Amino acid sequence: GDSVTQMEGPVTLSEEAFLTINCTYTATGYPSLFWYVQYPGEGLQLLLKATKADDKGSNKGFEATYRKETTSFHLEKGSVQVSDSAVYFCALDMDSSYKLIFGSGTRLLVRP
Amino acid sequence: DGGITQSPKYLFRKEGQNVTLSCEQNLNHDAMYWYRQDPGQGLRLIYYSQIVNDFQKGDIAEGYSVSREKKESFPLTVTSAQKNPTAFYLCASSTAGSSYNEQFFGPGTRLTVL
Repeated sequence: GDSVTQMEGPVTLSEEAFLTINCTYTATGYPSLFWYVQYPGEGLQLLLKATKADDKGSNKGFEATYRKETTSFHLEKGSVQVSDSAVYFCALDMDSSYKLIFGSGTRLLVRP
Repeated sequence: DGGITQSPKYLFRKEGQNVTLSCEQNLNHDAMYWYRQDPGQGLRLIYYSQIVNDFQKGDIAEGYSVSREKKESFPLTVTSAQKNPTAFYLCASSTAGSSYNEQFFGPGTRLTVL
């Protein structure tokens, strides 16, 4: 079945470091891909999305490119801040489906 | 402001008791969802509803029940049949007929069974 695999955390970085969180997916069709962020004690917020191959989603300095050839949607940021500390979830949805399939989440800790 | 509200934020219950979690949205979304989140894990779908008076089981529906009598509301009841109910519960909603399923989430309810 369809699935999403994320790198295990926690990922610990110093402020201003470069961030990459890996996400790969398995799907039989052409899914839309999402990154959600969850701050401590809160619900999830959509960070960015891409709906077709080669699309690049971007928001708040974060970017991810939909790579169909490698079935990946890695999240990147050039310079992280302490306020970026959160759990990041990669997710996909399939055409005509009301279900989102989430990865297990990757915790990011940014130290001053 | 449009959004999703969940109440209460923290909920405690004794074993053997049923408890109902509230979820309300004013985004005019047709679809609503309930997820369960356990520490260090991703989200698991409990129930979802695409339209009023209709809902479907998700991946872990056993021990839970829902109703969808109004478009704005999708309450979740955690019954005494749920063996491990302590968790963080998230409600979400989305539009119908979109080319992609962007879901909007509420702030969550943390349920603890004493």
